[in-house]
Amino acid sequence: SQQGEEDPQALSIQEGENATMNCSYKTSINNLQWYRQNSGRGLVHLILIRSNEREKHSGRLRVTLDTSKKSSSLLITASRAADTASYFCATPHTGNQFYFGTGTSLTVIP
Amino acid sequence: GAGVSQSPSNKVTEKGKDVELRCDPISGHTALYWYRQRLGQGLEFLIYFQGNSAPDKSGLPSDRFSAERTGESVSTLTIQRTQQEDSAVYLCASSISYEQYFGPGTRLTVT
Repeated sequence: SQQGEEDPQALSIQEGENATMNCSYKTSINNLQWYRQNSGRGLVHLILIRSNEREKHSGRLRVTLDTSKKSSSLLITASRAADTASYFCATPHTGNQFYFGTGTSLTVIP
Repeated sequence: GAGVSQSPSNKVTEKGKDVELRCDPISGHTALYWYRQRLGQGLEFLIYFQGNSAPDKSGLPSDRFSAERTGESVSTLTIQRTQQEDSAVYLCASSISYEQYFGPGTRLTVT
């Protein structure tokens, strides 16, 4: 099974609200990344957090990493309709592989 | 600058035909990945190229799948004798570190 798994699978919120999605993984990692995908096409890198970091900010994004619980969360504050997309976490795996979870589908209602 | 490009953007083929998908990575990116994404699913790793090293083919689902890359430039993913279960979006990504830059994908439909 895939290592990085996001929850919830789907999330629907009103514009202006905050959106939180979570990612759990199984093995030790040295970094974790979050990506966004619009309309089932190419993914866009959002943020990378290293294993020695607990929290990282980028604009309206806040990512946390808890290596003891093997989990990460992505918070999008003051959501906008344009934030509607699928969000994936990615963790390095053995060799050169990255595990991408099945994603959280976020819908922001205007 | 130019991002990762893929062609064709859409491909419809009959079962049993061969298809070739193309990926043009960002110039200077030594690493190149191919992924498959079925509808509503996550990304499935297929193959990884790093410079002139031997590719990591561990994700290829069957011997009908193959990929090539010339140096640090264009890569092609070939699927022989396509099956309906091959229908998916095929994504290519290039990188020079952990961050991957994705192309728009090729949507393959096998009828």
